[in-house]
Formats: sequence, structure tokens, C-alpha cells
Amino acid sequence: GENVEQHPSTLSVQEGDSAVIKCTYSDSASNYFPWYKQELGKRPQLIIDIRSNVGEKKDQRIAVTLNKTAKHFSLHITETQPEDSAVYFCAASRTPSGTYKYIFGTGTRLKVLA
Amino acid sequence: GAGVSQSPRYKVTKRGQDVALRCDPISGHVSLYWYRQALGQGPEFLTYFNYEAQQDKSGLPNDRFSAERPEGSISTLTIQRTEQRDSAMYRCASSPSKILAGGSNNEQFFGPGTRLTVL
Repeated sequence: GENVEQHPSTLSVQEGDSAVIKCTYSDSASNYFPWYKQELGKRPQLIIDIRSNVGEKKDQRIAVTLNKTAKHFSLHITETQPEDSAVYFCAASRTPSGTYKYIFGTGTRLKVLA
Repeated sequence: GAGVSQSPRYKVTKRGQDVALRCDPISGHVSLYWYRQALGQGPEFLTYFNYEAQQDKSGLPNDRFSAERPEGSISTLTIQRTEQRDSAMYRCASSPSKILAGGSNNEQFFGPGTRLTVL
């Protein structure tokens, strides 16, 4: 079936350090991978996404890499700040068009220590 | 503009009662999704619609759960004969699902959720 595994479940880093969150998906037909950030008591919000025809995408301090052969994708946050503290979810979908469901990972709680 | 809205925001009900959860997507959004999110977990897919057509209901846990979107806009998720294990946050999301210029992607926008507690 369709499954996304996410590691680690919790991650603590010192302010200014980098954080890396990794996901593995099982559905070979997946070709779109969004990342969502969920602050306490808030709704999930998209922070970055990548399509399968791209190996890496960067937006300021965040980047996502994709290895389609290995079915791995990762979120990289550099120069972490206290406001990066939140739960991060990866997801996989069969299309970037918005017309197909997302399969989410179980989440990573990131804590940035000041 | 207005985001995805859901009502009620909180629902407490007794075991065995039926509940109806409503989702108002962003105006004009083609696709509408229902997810269930347990505390500390990722959203778990339940069902989704493109316009009024239900595309996939494979995530609905059992036949007590049903959803509809009769006019391709507002959607209702109904849980019959609720059980304590149904307690969770139920989230709705919508997506424009239109072809965008520049190869942009159509993200899913989430609503605030309905926190359901079954006593």
C-alpha cells in the first residue's frame, strides 16, 4: 500500500545549527512531495515542495532533496531559529495538480534551543 | 481572502450519536479532502472529491463514515453511531487544481479542523 515513513520523530538543535528530516515513500507512482509545518494549535501550512523531475529545490534557509531511485526525500533547514520550532510533515502524492490525495508521514517535532 | 473554514470547531457527543462535520473550501477550489489527525500524528487520508464526484473513499475506516459534496462546494463528513475511538481532529483541505502558469503546483490548504470528542 501507500506509505510514507519519516525520521526522526523528535529533533533538538541549537539555534544556528542545521536540521535534517528524512522521509521514504513506497508508492512508485508518487511524483510530488510537499512539506508542511504545523505550529502548536495551528493548521498545517506548506513550506516547500518538489516535483520528481527535480533533484533539489531551495528557498532561503530551507531546501528539499529527492532521490527517486531510492524513494527518499529530505528537508534541510539551515541557520535554525527559535521560530522554526514546530512539527514538520512530509507527504507524497501522484500529481502536483492538487487532484490527488496526500499520504503524510508521522511528523517530526523540531525544537530549536536558544 | 477567506481560507478553508470548518464547523463546528469543537464537538462533544455521546457514544452512539451521529455527528455531521462541515467544510467550506476556498471559493472556486475544485478538490476537497478530508483527513483525520490524531494528536502528534500526521494527517491520515479519509476521502476526497473533485467537484462533486467522490474520487476515493478508501481511507474511510468503516461504513459508519460517509461524506458528500453535492454541489461541488461545501462538504459534510458524517459519522454514524459514534464510538470513543472516533475521537480525533478532523481536518478538511482544498486545492484549486487548476493549471497554473510557470509550472506552479496546486497546494492543499488546510482548515482549522473540528475537534471531535466522543464520551
